[in-house]
Amino acid sequence: TQLLEQSPQFLSIQEGENLTVYCNSSSVFSSLQWYRQEPGEGPVLLVTVVTGGEVKKLKRLTFQFGDARKDSSLHITAAQPGDTGLYLCAARNAGNMLTFGGGTRLMVKP
Amino acid sequence: DAGVTQSPTHLIKTRGQQVTLRCSPKSGHDTVSWYQQALGQGPQFIFQYYEEEERQRGNFPDRFSGHQFPNYSSELNVNALLLGDSALYLCASSGQGQPNTEAFFGQGTRLTVV
Repeated sequence: TQLLEQSPQFLSIQEGENLTVYCNSSSVFSSLQWYRQEPGEGPVLLVTVVTGGEVKKLKRLTFQFGDARKDSSLHITAAQPGDTGLYLCAARNAGNMLTFGGGTRLMVKP
Repeated sequence: DAGVTQSPTHLIKTRGQQVTLRCSPKSGHDTVSWYQQALGQGPQFIFQYYEEEERQRGNFPDRFSGHQFPNYSSELNVNALLLGDSALYLCASSGQGQPNTEAFFGQGTRLTVV
C-alpha cells in the first residue's frame, strides 16, 4: 500500500508570506498530482509532475518532484487569502485510481 | 458544459438505514470513481466503474456497492449505515479513451449518520 504523508497538517499565515508544504513517501511513483479543495467543493487538479527533479510553476505556485520520485513539494510565494484551502497530493495508478495524502489545511489571513 | 454533478448535496440518515447517492459524469466521460472523505482527512478510494462493471475496489466492506448505467451515470449504495460512515462522498469522472486522463470531481454529498 502506497502511503503519502503530508506536512504540515495545518498552516495559518499572514497575507504576503511564503510557505512550503511537503508530500513524502517511501514508495517510488510514476507521477504525483496536487489538488486544492475548498469547503463544500470537490478537489480540483492543480498540476501533475512526472519526471524526477521536475519543477512546474503555476503563477505563484511552484511544484517540485523529488529526484527519486518519492516526494514532492508545493511552494506558494506571497500567499493571498484566495489561496486558503486544503491542499492534497495524490498518486495515480494505471487504472486512474487516486491515493491521497491526508492534506495540508492552509489559512491565509488578510 | 456541465461538470460532474452529485445528488443530494446533503443527507441525514439513521444508523442501520440504507442510502443511495447519485453521480452524473462530465460530458464525454465514461469512467466513474467514488471516494469517501472523512472530516479532516484526504479522500479514500471506494471503487471505480467502467462499462457498467466494477473495475477496481478499495478497502471498503461489502456494505458499499455501486452501479453504473448505460448513460455512464452511477450510484453508490451503502447498507446498514454506521456512525463511522458519516463523511463527504465524492464522485470523480474521467475519460477512458486515453490513459491517465484527468479526473474531475463533483462537489460531493455530505452524509451524516445519527
